[in-house]
Amino acid sequence: DAGVIQSPRHEVTEMGQEVTLRCKPISGHNSLFWYRQTMMRGLELLIYFNNNVPIDDSGMPEDRFSAKMPNASFSTLKIQPSEPRDSAVYFCASSQDRFNEKLFFGSGTQLSVL
Amino acid sequence: RKEVEQDPGPFNVPEGATVAFNCTYSNSASQSFFWYRQDCRKEPKLLMSVYSSGNEDGRFTAQLNRASQYISLLIRDSKLSDSATYLCVVKPSNTGKLIFGQGTTLQVKP
Repeated sequence: DAGVIQSPRHEVTEMGQEVTLRCKPISGHNSLFWYRQTMMRGLELLIYFNNNVPIDDSGMPEDRFSAKMPNASFSTLKIQPSEPRDSAVYFCASSQDRFNEKLFFGSGTQLSVL
Repeated sequence: RKEVEQDPGPFNVPEGATVAFNCTYSNSASQSFFWYRQDCRKEPKLLMSVYSSGNEDGRFTAQLNRASQYISLLIRDSKLSDSATYLCVVKPSNTGKLIFGQGTTLQVKP
């Protein structure tokens, strides 16, 4: 099993640009989570999906952030426009279903907004 | 107040030492509890679940105190390879989301 796959591994962009982060969950997993990690705030849940439907997006910082899951094997997190305070490591994780509490994380995307 | 609070450390201990971490949570309705481990520049991985009766996995022991709303992790005979950040994780009831603490960093020295 390839595990959760995220791309890109690193992204450096300028303030104001659009950023799209991508995630492929483990095949057969029905829940997908987007987390953001910074030194100051630790791991914060941004949004999670169950069966491709967004269940809780209360952690999404503001309207500049949006997430989609068009099918069971793909999700995107978009930031438009990006700001320097968005710099962080963004992790995607999946689990078998909403009651399976073991999360499998991808390797993360290190985002730097200059 | 943060939902899950941990002492960030770092805890610097010699090989072979026993070390314990605590974590407190604010939501008394929380249902499930876990410890995850995160190595430097890597993703978090599940270390162990925490059960009400306490549970052990080799050198690792996890305990839960619902009345005081804290969780603990004890590592015995610590190894160099135990050096990592240990994340306390809480799952509120009736939700699928996991809330992570900021983590406690452990450095085991030779």
